[in-house]
Amino acid sequence: KAGVTQTPRYLIKTRGQQVTLSCSPISGHRSVSWYQQTPGQGLQFLFEYFSETQRNKGNFPGRFSGRQFSNSRSEMNVSTLELGDSALYLCASTTGGIITEAFFGQGTRLTVV
Amino acid sequence: DQQVKQNSPSLSVQEGRISILNCDYTNSMFDYFLWYKKYPAEGPTFLISISSIKDKNEDGRFTVFLNKSAKHLSLHIVPSQPGDSAVYFCAARLRDDKIIFGKGTRLHILP
Repeated sequence: KAGVTQTPRYLIKTRGQQVTLSCSPISGHRSVSWYQQTPGQGLQFLFEYFSETQRNKGNFPGRFSGRQFSNSRSEMNVSTLELGDSALYLCASTTGGIITEAFFGQGTRLTVV
Repeated sequence: DQQVKQNSPSLSVQEGRISILNCDYTNSMFDYFLWYKKYPAEGPTFLISISSIKDKNEDGRFTVFLNKSAKHLSLHIVPSQPGDSAVYFCAARLRDDKIIFGKGTRLHILP
């Protein structure tokens, strides 16, 4: 079956702009989580959506938001971009049930200049 | 407040020897622990997991040990191979499915 698909793979934006990243989970998976990976901080949890509802949220400012559609695809939006938002953004899908492992996409590399 | 800690940013091990990656956690509510492996330019891939009610889980060359009293888990890779060179993330799951990751340990397998 197809894996987790993230688009775009690479993105360059300027400070102050906003950006939308997309994630298509594995077919049948209802939970999508977003993570930010930076060299110094590892993988930091942004938020998780399950059946179109935000179920969990990490400690990121309100500039970071997301949503999930009825087909489980998810988008993440970052407004008023800052240089420190440059990172690899990863999305992971799970069934949201008993299965513990999360399947990750390849990520979107965002560079803010 | 870092709930999952990987205190070694990097580790070098000779090919053929045992690699031991360590992880400590602070939250007693974690019910599953997982290890992920990540190559550059790829997303993390699941490696092995262990339930909080077990103390050992083995899958081929990979074994995870859990010491609940010490809130410590470790991943053993025996024997280490060149393809094992990657960043390894320790992760822990809360009962509401939220997964918390450590900062990762970069493993270098030396020829």
